[in-house]
Amino acid sequence: NAGVMQNPRHLVRRRGQEARLRCSPMKGHSHVYWYRQLPEEGLKFMVYLQKENIIDESGMPKERFSAEFPKEGPSILRIQQVVRGDSAAYFCASSPLQGTGANVLTFGAGSRLTVL
Amino acid sequence: ELKVEQNPLFLSMQEGKNYTIYCNYSTTSDRLYWYRQDPGKSLESLFVLLSNGAVKQEGRLMASLDTKARLSTLHITAAVHDLSATYFCAVVETSGSRLTFGEGTQLTVNP
Repeated sequence: NAGVMQNPRHLVRRRGQEARLRCSPMKGHSHVYWYRQLPEEGLKFMVYLQKENIIDESGMPKERFSAEFPKEGPSILRIQQVVRGDSAAYFCASSPLQGTGANVLTFGAGSRLTVL
Repeated sequence: ELKVEQNPLFLSMQEGKNYTIYCNYSTTSDRLYWYRQDPGKSLESLFVLLSNGAVKQEGRLMASLDTKARLSTLHITAAVHDLSATYFCAVVETSGSRLTFGEGTQLTVNP
């Protein structure tokens, strides 16, 4: 079991470019969560997805950010026209069940975005 | 909106000493998690606490949950350098489905 796989691990973009971050959940997990961690801060919830459905996107900025979890392939967090304030570590977590229940979310290693 | 507060945010302690990290949360919840994060790394699950009075121990770490007081503690016994990391508590609202994290406690254990 390879765990939650995120790529790229490090991404550098210039202001105005697009960033795409990918997350493959653990085998058997159909629920994906994205969190953002700014330097020296805790993790902030962004979005919760099931296959082909966005369940809760209340933590997503209204503009430039989008997320999907297609029927086939990884979940993708897309940031358009990046700005310096988007520089952060973006963590994906997966769960086998709706909500978290008694199951612990398993986190990936994170994707660290740097905007120049 | 659920708020989760940890204290202290920074903790420097000597090896061999004991200390407690506190996690307060603002709304009803019966699920609380503790995670550890090493610099530049992902989060490692330490404990899941599911009911009032729950206590779990692993090595030098012990976590407890008081749902009436909306308080969890992470107690460190006879600290060793390897415990140096940032510790996060995270809470799920009773009616919710997502984790809300505290700000984290950065622990440094000095030889």
